[in-house]
Amino acid sequence: DSGVTQTPKHLITATGQRVTLRCSPRSGDLSVYWYQQSLDQGLQFLIQYYNGEERAKGNILERFSAQQFPDLHSELNLSSLELGDSALYFCASSVDPINTGELFFGEGSRLTVL
Amino acid sequence: AQKITQTQPGMFVQEKEAVTLDCTYDTSDPSYGLFWYKQPSSGEMIFLIYQGSYDQQNATEGRYSLNFQKARKSANLVISASQLGDSAMYFCAMREQETSGSRLTFGEGTQLTVNP
Repeated sequence: DSGVTQTPKHLITATGQRVTLRCSPRSGDLSVYWYQQSLDQGLQFLIQYYNGEERAKGNILERFSAQQFPDLHSELNLSSLELGDSALYFCASSVDPINTGELFFGEGSRLTVL
Repeated sequence: AQKITQTQPGMFVQEKEAVTLDCTYDTSDPSYGLFWYKQPSSGEMIFLIYQGSYDQQNATEGRYSLNFQKARKSANLVISASQLGDSAMYFCAMREQETSGSRLTFGEGTQLTVNP
């Protein structure tokens, strides 16, 4: 158990819908990262937050948004969903933004868009 | 150019034997870190081992060791005494301190199958 909690574990929805994925980082970790794992794109970095502020942005679509709340949990919002958004979405956390060591991953949220 | 290259889409090994999973990387950042993660069929990403670019010795964690050859830009994972539970997808990843901060860039993975 990495200590990073993601909910829901599985989600099935339809095209055009909006979903929210939630992540609770390890106790004491201030930095949260979101990754997308799809069959055709592999593991792609989406976005990073540190102590409530956006720190780095990767290949995140405009239809997607994220935030980190004062209690340090984070949410990834996916809207106007398309079939191609079906993927495993990981949240990871670390103590500091520079992350000199291990990045702890949650078990992922598997999104299926029908 | 690919930053992380894993040239073996699939590997097979007999139980109790050692196996090497290849990883080469490309960076001009003087400070970087290399990671290996295991992803079993259940989907979670499990950290295995880490090597910093300034580390003089190869990292080891139990049955896992990282064969770090800086001049060749390779960071191969060696699993000794393979077990059936080692069957999984293995990802090599890199963190470039100056170029990309703390995000990780992942390779495409190697699917390892351990045969009884």
